[in-house]
Amino acid sequence: GENVEQHPSTLSVQEGDSAVIKCTYSDSASNYFPWYKQELGKGPQLIIDIRSNVGEKKDQRIAVTLNKTAKHFSLHITETQPEDSAVYFCAASPFTGTASKLTFGTGTRLQVTL
Amino acid sequence: DAMVIQNPRYQVTQFGKPVTLSCSQTLNHNVMYWYQQKSSQAPKLLFHYYDKDFNNEADTPDNFQSRRPNTSFCFLDIRSPGLGDAAMYLCATRLAPYNEQFFGPGTRLTVL
Repeated sequence: GENVEQHPSTLSVQEGDSAVIKCTYSDSASNYFPWYKQELGKGPQLIIDIRSNVGEKKDQRIAVTLNKTAKHFSLHITETQPEDSAVYFCAASPFTGTASKLTFGTGTRLQVTL
Repeated sequence: DAMVIQNPRYQVTQFGKPVTLSCSQTLNHNVMYWYQQKSSQAPKLLFHYYDKDFNNEADTPDNFQSRRPNTSFCFLDIRSPGLGDAAMYLCATRLAPYNEQFFGPGTRLTVL
């Protein structure tokens, strides 16, 4: 089955700096890679995703890059703000027909300090 | 607004006393998932429904059951909760064939 590793487990940055979270996956059949933000006591919120036919995707301050050859993908947050503080999960899914199950990374706790 | 709703948000039960958690959605999505998330861990898939078809994960204990009486509602039944079942339970939905999964706010279960 799929295995997703995520680093770092904790990340502290100053407001305005950039943050980068990296994930690697094992199953070459995976072709969908979402990122979720989870605030304390809440459910995960989908913030950006990328499919295997795309190398990079950007949405305002958030961007995701994918290297299929190396089987890794990364989340980049620029100009960080205190409200970006949360736990971030990457995930991978080998979408095959009707089956689409996410395998999550272990999470990164991002702390943005003033 | 279309959304995924979970009730209750907090549930306290006693060791061995059956408990049911509820999920409803106004998105009209055909796939519904139940995840278990323990403290500082990633969500772990328990099972999912594709329309009326139930799909259990191989390592989900028999203690966990689910029902989906219609498109909008899905229930998680824990027949005999143990202390190890204390966790956040997350419901998610997806409109197949699209990939995106949308999560509800979760129900935090405490077992005394």
